[in-house]
Amino acid sequence: TQLLEQSPQFLSIQEGENLTVYCNSSSVFSSLQWYRQEPGEGPVLLVTVVTGGEVKKLKRLTFQFGDARKDSSLHITAAQPGDTGLYLCAGLLSNSGYALNFGKGTSLLVTP
Amino acid sequence: DAGITQSPRYKITETGRQVTLMCHQTWSHSYMFWYRQDLGHGLRLIYYSAAADITDKGEVPDGYVVSRSKTENFPLTLESATRSQTSVYFCASTGTGEVYNTEAFFGQGTRLTVV
Repeated sequence: TQLLEQSPQFLSIQEGENLTVYCNSSSVFSSLQWYRQEPGEGPVLLVTVVTGGEVKKLKRLTFQFGDARKDSSLHITAAQPGDTGLYLCAGLLSNSGYALNFGKGTSLLVTP
Repeated sequence: DAGITQSPRYKITETGRQVTLMCHQTWSHSYMFWYRQDLGHGLRLIYYSAAADITDKGEVPDGYVVSRSKTENFPLTLESATRSQTSVYFCASTGTGEVYNTEAFFGQGTRLTVV
């Protein structure tokens, strides 16, 4: 059972455009993390959001945790080809210890 | 080298054979995990371990066996490989800080093909 639904699954945009990736669930999470994965590599953590309503910025990336801690979004401003990759959201349930539940991912392609 | 390493990086095996994927981490992290990544399914948890000699099933454990005799090693064994186990396998580890704020560190993955 996939607890986290990510959308869109695929996104192809041109350099300079803005985009938003969504991660939704009916479950409440202790925290939600966003990872980025390059081809042939393992995922690498971008950010962790913990508090409902929290907003974190990482250069051109803005992450938001929903007020009810059931959803999150990743917004990229002025996308660059270097942003190309697979973006994964992952949530920690209060009763699952340290085991992350991953969404299926959003594959982003940014062309020059 | 510090970090988390998986071996082999690529493996082709035949249906019915036993195969073991290795995972080694140098941070002395308590928690270790095995995930498989498939198109259309994302990352799914196979098994995890909270400490040496403590393991537990994840979402998709059938057909897999794990052991953890030492903190730094967490091998994953496919007892009798099937084509449906063709996948990319990732090992990960986390420390034991505040549980909601811990980062999972992933290996580079093992691409397993069962023919």
